[in-house]
Amino acid sequence: AAGVIQSPRHLIKEKRETATLKCYPIPRHDTVYWYQQGPGQDPQFLISFYEKMQSDKGSIPDRFSAQQFSDYHSELNMSSLELGDSALYFCASSFFERAHGELFFGEGSRLTVL
Amino acid sequence: AQKITQTQPGMFVQEKEAVTLDCTYDTSDQSYGLFWYKQPSSGEMIFLIYQGSYDEQNATEGRYSLNFQKARKSANLVISASQLGDSAMYFCAMREPTGNQFYFGTGTSLTVIP
Repeated sequence: AAGVIQSPRHLIKEKRETATLKCYPIPRHDTVYWYQQGPGQDPQFLISFYEKMQSDKGSIPDRFSAQQFSDYHSELNMSSLELGDSALYFCASSFFERAHGELFFGEGSRLTVL
Repeated sequence: AQKITQTQPGMFVQEKEAVTLDCTYDTSDQSYGLFWYKQPSSGEMIFLIYQGSYDEQNATEGRYSLNFQKARKSANLVISASQLGDSAMYFCAMREPTGNQFYFGTGTSLTVIP
């Protein structure tokens, strides 16, 4: 079965550079979430989209932006990168109306800022 | 207030024994979902088990069971017959119908000892 696809899996950037992470949700899933997980920490919610519209916003810095496109894939854009942005970035998708509503996670994109 | 509380940062269990990972939650909603995820050292987030707030029976999935005590707002994960491959971080999570967000606990690191 198709899973959530994230790219790239690993990314190394310098301070003040920009980075873009991509997420392709499971087909027919209508909700996409982005999470940031620092070393040894729990995942922190950044932002979510339902049917291509932003549905909820968490602790996403102003330097970050995200959108969901017509084909339901989502991109997280990060500018003016800081050392503290080094983390594992998860994308997850779900089918909002489904009874269980569990999130299916991608394998994550590991960003290292030098 | 913390939505999900996991009070055990680290746990050890002997191989083949059972272990209980604690989770308490805070919500004023009547309808909600509770989830457990496993995160091995490789980083991916693996869905383990789900419990709906209206489910009268405790959820079970193979060696995983969820000890759901609604009045106490606890949703402990029980892993029976522990295996070395169970060594990982375990996150308890909750989904509320209002908003579109998953709340994660801080996780419990489980180490299975041969």
